[in-house]
Amino acid sequence: GEDVEQSLFLSVREGDSSVINCTYTDSSSTYLYWYKQEPGAGLQLLTYIFSNMDMKQDQRLTVLLNKKDKHLSLRIADTQTGDSAIYFCAEKWDNQGGKLIFGQGTELSVKP
Amino acid sequence: DTAVSQTPKYLVTQMGNDKSIKCEQNLGHDTMYWYKQDSKKFLKIMFSYNNKELIINETVPNRFSPKSPDKAHLNLHINSLELGDSAVYFCASSPMSRNYGYTFGSGTRLTVV
Repeated sequence: GEDVEQSLFLSVREGDSSVINCTYTDSSSTYLYWYKQEPGAGLQLLTYIFSNMDMKQDQRLTVLLNKKDKHLSLRIADTQTGDSAIYFCAEKWDNQGGKLIFGQGTELSVKP
Repeated sequence: DTAVSQTPKYLVTQMGNDKSIKCEQNLGHDTMYWYKQDSKKFLKIMFSYNNKELIINETVPNRFSPKSPDKAHLNLHINSLELGDSAVYFCASSPMSRNYGYTFGSGTRLTVV
């Protein structure tokens, strides 16, 4: 199937680390993505990882990929109130016109 | 300089009407998409065009018809609107390079009353 699974909610305190998890379905996906959606806005690409990588770091963001378990995570270090948003993971289905299949989104709430 | 722009941002209309949403990208990308986001924030692809050719057509009612006059534009026309069509519709674009994610527009919130 096309299900990409994420937990729906995560609440953290300002300054803590946030970890958002995702499981995907297509083992042939070559690229996996994390997007951020703030209220009333479109989706902003945060980062992506190639499937032959285990980890990618970009400033406060760390992406971990476990290809065997089809598990992807996004860690946000030193989480700020401005990080409050919905975070979507997505996998690209290269054999179906390159369409992106999105998870349900994880709503991150950062409390002061 | 807006990369992917959609108009209108909000659209309120009555059941049975026909409406269009326009999308334009100035990124030079050759592939464009329409996604629907429902009230639970779930995003589902509807259509994709590459260089004006339809390449993805998901299970979408025939009342929805995309049109791509050139590779910088992808419009969505909806006939006989129904209450269930209420959602946020996002346009997106990407180049053919495989690692690129999509660049999204800011969305059109459609409310059918």
